[in-house]
Order: sequence, then structure tokens, then C-alpha cells
Amino acid sequence: DTGVSQDPRHKITKRGQNVTFRCDPISEHNRLYWYRQTLGQGPEFLTYFQNEAQLEKSRLLSDRFSAERPKGSFSTLEIQRTEQGDSAMYLCASSSPLNPGLQEQFFGPGTRLTVL
Amino acid sequence: QKEVEQNSGPLSVPEGAIASLNCTYSDRGSQSFFWYRQYSGKSPELIMSIYSNGDKEDGRFTAQLNKASQYVSLLIRDSQPSDSATYLCAVIKAAGNKLTFGGGTRVLVKP
Repeated sequence: DTGVSQDPRHKITKRGQNVTFRCDPISEHNRLYWYRQTLGQGPEFLTYFQNEAQLEKSRLLSDRFSAERPKGSFSTLEIQRTEQGDSAMYLCASSSPLNPGLQEQFFGPGTRLTVL
Repeated sequence: QKEVEQNSGPLSVPEGAIASLNCTYSDRGSQSFFWYRQYSGKSPELIMSIYSNGDKEDGRFTAQLNKASQYVSLLIRDSQPSDSATYLCAVIKAAGNKLTFGGGTRVLVKP
């Protein structure tokens, strides 16, 4: 399977705990995006990497959130001191450098976070 | 005003009929437009992308873009029960990279 992969698929945690999610983009896709989706809403942008550089962060990404892509391949999203309001589906997407004008983004299966 | 607006539905369509979905956007400089299909509990799946005014057809799907009126639409011909899903409209604004999504339109195709 050469699609975007995410791990874990589901995470249940208690309020105040830290969680980390991983995303592996499609091979050779240099752009990687994180989005968050709550029930009944469209996904909301969190942050974006081109290779290892984090080029944009949403105001939604409070100081409890941090994302990295150290080698320009996989990325991690960490949430510290989780709150119940962090419960959502966390989606990762990637896009290819071969057709930058197209900007098509392909999503992974998502990580569903439940904060108790 | 939301940046990307869609009717939340549900849009109920008989099997075999045409489903027509609409989306409006506020940023006149938006340059790229996408339709994603999302089944309940799953992640969005890209089904159409369109960049210039006019129609673009792919199988049973046709996307239509009118930049002057700032709307993009999706037609699903010969609707099947498997088309029952939420359809998300997304745009990329001028000089941007992130997708801005509408809230989605839920489509129900009844046999």
C-alpha cells in the first residue's frame, strides 16, 4: 500500500496526558499537512511542512501542540496536557512536488482521539 | 460569513437520478477547488479537482467552476446507494497551500 498511513488509528487517553501521532506520507511527497476534524464539521488546517521545514501553523495550534518532520519523511504531532476539547479526528495529508500547480492533497485514514 | 459554504443537507436522491451539490467561497483569489467524499467514520477521499472555469467530467462525476460567481458545483449522475456519503468542498486560496473546507453536504441515495 503506497497511500498515506497514520498510527495509531485510535487513541483513548485521560485528560492531562500527552499523546503523539505519526504520519507517513506517500513516498516522494515532499509536502505534508495536518488537519483536525470534529463531528459534523469539515477538516480544519493545523500545520504544513515542505520537506523538513514547517512553513505554516494555524492559530488553532496552541502551545500544547507541536509537530515535527525531522528528516523530511514521516511527521509526528504531539499534544501535551490533553483536554476534552482535543477530542477529534486528526488527519494527515500529503501532496507531490511533481505537479505543484495541482496541489492535490491525499489523506491518510486518520487518528481518532478521545480524551476522557 | 464562512469562507466556504455548503448546504448541510441531507440531500435525498432516488437511485439512478442526478445529485447536484453546490459550494460557494468568499476569497475571490482562490485558485484551486476540490471535492472530497467522506464516508461515516472514514477520512476524506479526493474525487475531483478543478482549476479553471467550466466543466470537468470524470466518470459519473462532473465538477463545474464559475469564478465570477464564486461557486463550484458537483454533479453525480446515475446515483448509486454507494454514493451515500458526505461531500466536502475545499479550496486553496491565492498564494496558499492549505485546504479550506466547507462543512460538507450529506447525500442519501435511496434504492
